[in-house]
Amino acid sequence: AQRVTQPEKLLSVFKGAPVELKCNYSYSGSPELFWYVQYSRQRLQLLLRHISRESIKGFTADLNKGETSFHLKKPFAQEEDSAMYYCALSGRTNAGKSTFGDGTTLTVKP
Amino acid sequence: NAGVTQTPKFRILKIGQSMTLQCTQDMNHNYMYWYRQDPGMGLKLIYYSVGAGITDKGEVPNGYNVSRSTTEDFPLRLELAAPSQTSVYFCASRDRDNSPLHFGNGTRLTVT
Repeated sequence: AQRVTQPEKLLSVFKGAPVELKCNYSYSGSPELFWYVQYSRQRLQLLLRHISRESIKGFTADLNKGETSFHLKKPFAQEEDSAMYYCALSGRTNAGKSTFGDGTTLTVKP
Repeated sequence: NAGVTQTPKFRILKIGQSMTLQCTQDMNHNYMYWYRQDPGMGLKLIYYSVGAGITDKGEVPNGYNVSRSTTEDFPLRLELAAPSQTSVYFCASRDRDNSPLHFGNGTRLTVT
């Protein structure tokens, strides 16, 4: 079975502070990990995926297979980063079904 | 490019009524999914399809039905609506089994 855990439902930081949204997963094979973001009144959209190893809007995430984690980080949070963030896992052998964490609501205060 | 389009955006149903949530995508994606999002919870998979004519149950299929007669359309049918089906419903698609998901705007459904 595959599982994704986001331990923090709510996270609040001040503008300019570093932010880390935690994601831990459980999967027996080789996972594909994603971060999706949902800004207020907008649809869910891809933020980044581990295979691309790129930085989007200043966010990065590194897959740590030893710790089974895929934490999302940004060194200097901005007010426009306030949103709901979902970590998701897809396995290669299950028709692309994605398992989502419960989400973390990030609030960046001025 | 419209992407994934869901209708309606909002709906209020009385207990026992039925309705169909529409989802269409113009990206020629084979894989399509229906999720529900309850407050404070992640997205739960209701049904999915890997191609026209093929559908399968997800984690929470009870009370729902789907069909996939074309690549573009993946409607979700609620029969005998119940208050437990009050949720936000998202349709999503992807072109390969591990490519990113493309989401619709969601349908907010209230059953009273």
